[in-house]
Amino acid sequence: DTGVSQNPRHKITKRGQNVTFRCDPISEHNRLYWYRQTLGQGPEFLTYFQNEAQLEKSRLLSDRFSAERPKGSFSTLEIQRTEQGDSAMYLCASSFTLSGEQYFGPGTRLTVT
Amino acid sequence: AQTVTQSQPEMSVQEAETVTLSCTYDTSESDYYLFWYKQPPSRQMILVIRQEAYKQQNATENRFSVNFQKAAKSFSLKISDSQLGDAAMYFCARYGSSNTGKLIFGQGTTLQVKP
Repeated sequence: DTGVSQNPRHKITKRGQNVTFRCDPISEHNRLYWYRQTLGQGPEFLTYFQNEAQLEKSRLLSDRFSAERPKGSFSTLEIQRTEQGDSAMYLCASSFTLSGEQYFGPGTRLTVT
Repeated sequence: AQTVTQSQPEMSVQEAETVTLSCTYDTSESDYYLFWYKQPPSRQMILVIRQEAYKQQNATENRFSVNFQKAAKSFSLKISDSQLGDAAMYFCARYGSSNTGKLIFGQGTTLQVKP
């Protein structure tokens, strides 16, 4: 399968714990995006990488959130000291060009208890 | 504000019939891209169709077509000959005003297809 993959698919954690998600984009795509989607809503942009450089971060991305993309390949999104309000689906997408189609992964569903 | 609005939370259509999903957006730019994405239950989001604002011709992809009204900032999706597999949540989206290609999504419309 050469699509965008995300791991884990589901994560249940207790409030206050740290969690890390991984996204593997399509191999030739140098643009990578993270979005957050709550139930019944559209995805909201979190952050964007072009190669290894993080070029934009949403105000939604508080200081408890950090994302990396070492070597411009896979990306990780870490949430520290999770809160119940962090419960959502975290989506990763990648694209080859600026205006090109963004291909989405299956998402990681986070539940904070 | 760069917003995308879908005013129909839910729609239903009889199999083989036609349905139109509405979307309006706000932008101060003259050139931009608009998209419709489909998200089936528990499955990943896929692109249905996209429209470049500088093109006057409405985009079509098989049974899917759009009605793009640039002056009215309206971008509706028409699904012809609806199939059971079309049942999903549909999101209208546009690129944000930055040069990053980030997408701004509407709230979504859940489409039910009745056999």
